[in-house]
Amino acid sequence: DGGITQSPKYLFRKEGQNVTLSCEQNLNHDAMYWYRQDPGQGLRLIYYSQIVNDFQKGDIAEGYSVSREKKESFPLTVTSAQKNPTAFYLCASRYAGERNSPLHFGNGTRLTVT
Amino acid sequence: RKEVEQDPGPFNVPEGATVAFNCTYSNSASQSFFWYRQDCRKEPKLLMSVYSSGNEDGRFTAQLNRASQYISLLIRDSKLSDSATYLCVVNRRGGADGLTFGKGTHLIIQP
Repeated sequence: DGGITQSPKYLFRKEGQNVTLSCEQNLNHDAMYWYRQDPGQGLRLIYYSQIVNDFQKGDIAEGYSVSREKKESFPLTVTSAQKNPTAFYLCASRYAGERNSPLHFGNGTRLTVT
Repeated sequence: RKEVEQDPGPFNVPEGATVAFNCTYSNSASQSFFWYRQDCRKEPKLLMSVYSSGNEDGRFTAQLNRASQYISLLIRDSKLSDSATYLCVVNRRGGADGLTFGKGTHLIIQP
């Protein structure tokens, strides 16, 4: 079955360490996204990518970095520069260029930094 | 006015009742609309897209009112399993980065 896989499900890190969250999809979607969700808040866009080797900053990109070396993969690195990294991180994908194409989400990574 | 706004609730509704909630959006040029369901500590899952003429999927009906700039979701014969947070998503520009999420409406179906 096609889908989006995020790993790990839970991640614990010490303050000052960089950490990379994995996202892989086999839906053949062009566009991939990273969102952050905090309790009681809506989803906020961190980065997105419409094609391989290209990506754009979203609304809250500071302290994060991404790469898109393969169509299937869009890893997110949370750097030590991110001031409040503890959150629920969601990866999503959709067909680019089709405005009515909905987002499909992975099952999320819950990051806790202490 | 916020770009996408939802009543956070919670809506407490007895099992079997009909419940409806709205989502307002500020950009009149918004082009596509979706309802997602999110269970506690889980990822959002697509419930239904919202089409201009309105659409129905079983007990769920979605409607778009462009003149008043809102979409609605109606749930008939509510089940305990309908308890969740319902997120409204608006594609305000039609592009890859135009998707904006509401904060969600929390629905609790009571036995």
